[in-house]
Amino acid sequence: EVQLVESGGGLVKPGGSLRLSCAASGFTFSSYSMNWVRQAPGKGLEWVSSITSSSTYIYYSDSVKGRFTISRDNAKNSLYLQMNSLRAEDTAVYYCASFASPPQWGQGTLVTVSS
Amino acid sequence: QSALTQPASVSGSLGQSITISCTGTGSDVGGYNYVSWYQQHPGKAPKLMIYDVDKRPSGVSSRFSASKSGNTASLTISGLQAEDEADYYCTSYTSSNVVFGGGTEVTV
Repeated sequence: EVQLVESGGGLVKPGGSLRLSCAASGFTFSSYSMNWVRQAPGKGLEWVSSITSSSTYIYYSDSVKGRFTISRDNAKNSLYLQMNSLRAEDTAVYYCASFASPPQWGQGTLVTVSS
Repeated sequence: QSALTQPASVSGSLGQSITISCTGTGSDVGGYNYVSWYQQHPGKAPKLMIYDVDKRPSGVSSRFSASKSGNTASLTISGLQAEDEADYYCTSYTSSNVVFGGGTEVTV
């Protein structure tokens, strides 16, 4: 069974940092591109970042470029999102997701940016 | 503003059929057969209902069907049931990322 389990969310002050992790199991993690997607309270889904299977190509949304860094460790079947210079508008549930066929999502981890 | 355009809300009566549209461009919906649809109930994670334009994951009711024509994808829910009341999002693969619709609130 495919599983994606996010962790690392929590409450952080504006300007602070947080590192999210996503543990993958049940599929060949190293073969697939992975993504982070977020959903602010009461809002829609927003793609945040993606990384190809060997980390060759990395993409960010304009809203997080220069502040967030996506990475992966295929030996550990893990995906990461380092979030720096956090803002109130980064408050959201963050999901890791594979958009392979079929797509797979985790259950999400809540990040709250507030003083 | 979302990359893909969905109606903000659609309503229907029990047993009726409704269709939700999702309009993009040739760089996303029209360019790839990787359109997915998600159902989301309040406080819950999105649930995959359709992937690769028209494929249903195991366990998803056959009342849910989907198609694509040009730059517009569509999700149809037939035999509408109370539990179908939720938000629905479309998404499409692009060359570098994925794009989402703004979501459609379905009211039964």
